[in-house]
Amino acid sequence: ETGVTQTPRHLVMGMTNKKSLKCEQHLGHNAMYWYKQSAKKPLELMFVYSLEERVENNSVPSRFSPECPNSSHLFLHLHTLQPEDSALYLCASSQDRHTSTEAFFGQGTRLTVV
Amino acid sequence: QKEVEQNSGPLSVPEGAIASLNCTYSDRGSQSFFWYRQYSGKSPELIMSIYSNGDKEDGRFTAQLNKASQYVSLLIRDSQPSDSATYLCAVKNGAGNQFYFGTGTSLTVIP
Repeated sequence: ETGVTQTPRHLVMGMTNKKSLKCEQHLGHNAMYWYKQSAKKPLELMFVYSLEERVENNSVPSRFSPECPNSSHLFLHLHTLQPEDSALYLCASSQDRHTSTEAFFGQGTRLTVV
Repeated sequence: QKEVEQNSGPLSVPEGAIASLNCTYSDRGSQSFFWYRQYSGKSPELIMSIYSNGDKEDGRFTAQLNKASQYVSLLIRDSQPSDSATYLCAVKNGAGNQFYFGTGTSLTVIP
């Protein structure tokens, strides 16, 4: 296993469902990120975890709930989503406090809320 | 909100030409700058990083940084159809713990 791995790759869920997105990184990084990518919009930073502590929460609705049990794993728990939440959800990792380290992205989860 | 701005395009260039992509950013404390390429339906992949003023070359790609003007650019020489993608400019903040992305510039290289 290398890099950043996200599962599932595709997810269709109803507005009353509960699901979770999973991200795992094998790069030895200490920071992990959730981004949302909608059409024609910049990548929107949702959450940042540094050393397993949440350091950023960009006014994300409470129907999105992150969890970072250790530095290699990151989850995004979803419940009672809205159709406008349909997007590509990207996980990334980096080495925190090191300005020269880039973000490495997973393949993304394409989420459709019906 | 720290802003990173790019022309959304689309930018079309003929095969073999030079493609020029531009990006401006608002946070003067930014230390690191990155260009990512994103093919349709795929995740972004890093193609260039630059940290100091001036030019940095890697194969057909040249990144240019001017911190005084808060401007970073990417030149692609001898453009190929396989370069057709969306190019994202990213800026890492001074604390080194957040990335800010532009909306991306869509590039099409015409054979």
